[in-house]
This record gives sequence, C-alpha cells and structure tokens, in this order.
Amino acid sequence: DAGVTQSPTHLIKTRGQQVTLRCSPKSGHDTVSWYQQALGQGPQFIFQYYEEEERQRGNFPDRFSGHQFPNYSSELNVNALLLGDSALYLCASGYSFRDTQYFGPGTRLTVL
Amino acid sequence: DAKTTQPNSMESNEEEPVHLPCNHSTISGTDYIHWYRQLPSQGPEYVIHGLTSNVNNRMASLAIAEDRKSSTLILHRATLRDAAVYYCILRDGAGGTSYGKLTFGQGTILTVHP
Repeated sequence: DAGVTQSPTHLIKTRGQQVTLRCSPKSGHDTVSWYQQALGQGPQFIFQYYEEEERQRGNFPDRFSGHQFPNYSSELNVNALLLGDSALYLCASGYSFRDTQYFGPGTRLTVL
Repeated sequence: DAKTTQPNSMESNEEEPVHLPCNHSTISGTDYIHWYRQLPSQGPEYVIHGLTSNVNNRMASLAIAEDRKSSTLILHRATLRDAAVYYCILRDGAGGTSYGKLTFGQGTILTVHP
C-alpha cells in the first residue's frame, strides 16, 4: 500500500516565478492538507481540501492556492515567489477528518 | 488554538527509557493530545494520541495528568532510530473540519547516544 507521495522531490525557482507542487494521498484517504516547513521550524498549516473544496486555511496570503481533483490528489500553487517561500512543503492525507494524518516526504523548494 | 510547551532538546542513551514532557495548561475539555515525530529528512509521522486515559501502542505510551494540563510521551527502550523531533499537539475533538489542522510548535529534539 503506497503512502502519501509528493512530486517533485526538489525544485529551484527564481523570484517572481510560479510553482506547482503535487500530492497523491494514501489509498482510501479523501482529505489533503498542505504545510510549509521553514528550516529549523515546525510545519505551518497552509490549507486543507475535502470534497474538492478548501475547508480550512491558515495564515497564508492569496499567492498560495490549491486544488483537489476527483481522485483526491491535490496541487499546491504558489504565485509571485519570494525568497521567504523557500521551505519544505509537506502534504498530509487523512480519511474524512479522522485523527491520524499521514505525511509525505515533502518537496524542497528553493527560491533564488 | 491551545498551545503546548516542550523542552527544546533532550538526550538519552540507547535501550534506556525516555520521558518527553509536554505542558498544555490551557487545554479545553474537547482537546485531544497528539504526538507526532519527524525523523531527519522525512515528513512527520503519527506516534500516539489520547484524551484522558493513558494510552499504549507499539511505538510508545502516553501518560496524561489527571488535570490534563500536562502529558508525557514514553519511549520504553530508545533506539538510534528514535532520534527525531517530537511534537506535542492539541487537536479539537469537537468535530467538523478542525480535525485536519495540526498546529505544530518547535518540538523537542531527541538525541539518542549509542
């Protein structure tokens, strides 16, 4: 049984560019959440998707947007990249808001 | 979101028990206590959770104070693979979409010596 998968593993962009990160949830899961983890910090909640809708959002600007597809996979889009967006982006999945969240290995984004 | 306080770091020797404390003095009656850990270069992984009673699973035990204002994650025999950042998180169990949100603090960096 495959766990949560994310692509790409690493990504390098320059300021002002746009980026799309992808996540496939664990089999049987229908909710996907995204987190940003800066170096040396704990992960910070960006938003959560369920039934193809954004259900909750953390304190992140509108430059951060997402999408959930009918197969429950999800994308995170970040526009007008800033140097401060350099971080590890983590995807987590769960089943209908049950307690346990399963995390993927993350995508390391570097903005130059 | 209710907050937790953990020591920045702790050290242990291999095969010895480890007690990781967490204070959560503002916990509400519907908050569950969750523990996740993050091994180097990996995403966080679930360890254990509880509400009022002590809990055991194959990974660890969770001891919850009677007033629920503190809890302790217990690793019965630390191994080198247990070296990680351990996060204590409160999650509202009242229902609805709040389940999906995990509010991480700084966590405790656990170092295990051979």
